[in-house]
Amino acid sequence: EVQLMESGGGLVQPGGSLRLSCAASGFTFSSYWMSWVRQAPGKGLEWVANIKQDGSDKYYVDSMKGRFTISRDNAKNSLYLQMNSLRAEDTAVYYCARTERVRAGYFDYWGQGTLVTVSS
Amino acid sequence: DIQMTQSPSTLSAFVGDRVTITCRASQSISSWLAWYQQKPGKAPKLLIYKASSLESGVPSRFSGSGSGTEFTLTISSLQPDDFATYYCQQYNSIREYTFGQGTKLEIK
Repeated sequence: EVQLMESGGGLVQPGGSLRLSCAASGFTFSSYWMSWVRQAPGKGLEWVANIKQDGSDKYYVDSMKGRFTISRDNAKNSLYLQMNSLRAEDTAVYYCARTERVRAGYFDYWGQGTLVTVSS
Repeated sequence: DIQMTQSPSTLSAFVGDRVTITCRASQSISSWLAWYQQKPGKAPKLLIYKASSLESGVPSRFSGSGSGTEFTLTISSLQPDDFATYYCQQYNSIREYTFGQGTKLEIK
């Protein structure tokens, strides 16, 4: 059974940093692109970033380039999101999602999400 | 950047109704479109991919159609479990994915 479990969310002050983790199981993690998707309270879904199977390619939504860094450790079956210079508008539930294998386009499995709150 | 626009934003319907949600892309995305269902407090669930392919395990009352810039999600006969928020997502390029703003389907 495919499972994705995020952790690392919490309350952080504006300008602070946070590192999210996603533990994957039930599939060959190193064979899939992976993504982070976020959802602000009461709002829609927003793709944040994705990363290639071997970590050699990474893409970000423009508004987060330079502040967020996606990475992975295939030996640990884990995905990460380092978030720096956090702003109130980064408050959201952050989901880890597996990207389907054929075109690396849509998200076929999602974690339960971890809440990040940016507030003083 | 490719923008995705869903309509309507909210839809009220009865159990048993046939409903259609529309998603329009700001430029052609061929058939690279997915649909998701999300219930409050839960992660999204994949329903449809490549515009019209039904994900395994999803009831056949859900169907998708379209290509280019205009797409639809149809639920042929609404069931109580279908009341949720629905999102479209384009994946024309691996460098950029975009979701629609969502359509909330409510019980009338």
